[in-house]
Amino acid sequence: GESVGLHLPTLSVQEGDNSIINCAYSNSASDYFIWYKQESGKGPQFIIDIRSNMDKRQGQRVTVLLNKTVKHLSLQIAATQPGDSAVYFCAEQNYGQNFVFGPGTRLSVLP
Amino acid sequence: GAGVSQSPSNKVTEKGKDVELRCDPISGHTALYWYRQSLGQGLEFLIYFQGNSAPDKSGLPSDRFSAERTGGSVSTLTIQRTQQEDSAVYLCASSPRDRTNQPQHFGDGTRLSIL
Repeated sequence: GESVGLHLPTLSVQEGDNSIINCAYSNSASDYFIWYKQESGKGPQFIIDIRSNMDKRQGQRVTVLLNKTVKHLSLQIAATQPGDSAVYFCAEQNYGQNFVFGPGTRLSVLP
Repeated sequence: GAGVSQSPSNKVTEKGKDVELRCDPISGHTALYWYRQSLGQGLEFLIYFQGNSAPDKSGLPSDRFSAERTGGSVSTLTIQRTQQEDSAVYLCASSPRDRTNQPQHFGDGTRLSIL
């Protein structure tokens, strides 16, 4: 399940299940969104992006959904694997402005 | 090909000392960014360089922080008279052109600890 506490929100899933990580963004004018994966001791790694003229985009085992009406972004990971354990960040951008990053969600994959 | 390289990977220093952090962006990338990441927090924008344009310094938290980019490639972030609240991971990123609608490629950061 998903929990919010003093630390990062954590999502725990069983290996092989699908994961859904959510992000509420703040600026209704944002027109570009990215999901990053950050493993311990490493820098963020690009996963997938989406522009505001789309509501869904698929990659390899990942899908990003964008709901502009409620300013919500989600990342779906199919058949979650132990190597997917990491912190996942969403980032939003209003054309040409600085990116704004969310606080992140820690994904923990259980054997 | 090489990714974004940052050095040192770890730096421990005493309060009041100056520190210099280095970033080598991906070759050919014209845009370079510095971010700060505190424990369990998201990324805080510090500064953005794009080609020969004046840098966007709007994220620098105080005048103790400065950055430069020489020859459109390597960048150094300098923190003078370090304070304990400066302890964080400092991340550098680059992208092929400007910051419009494209992802950034990050280095693994410099973990700075102020004693």
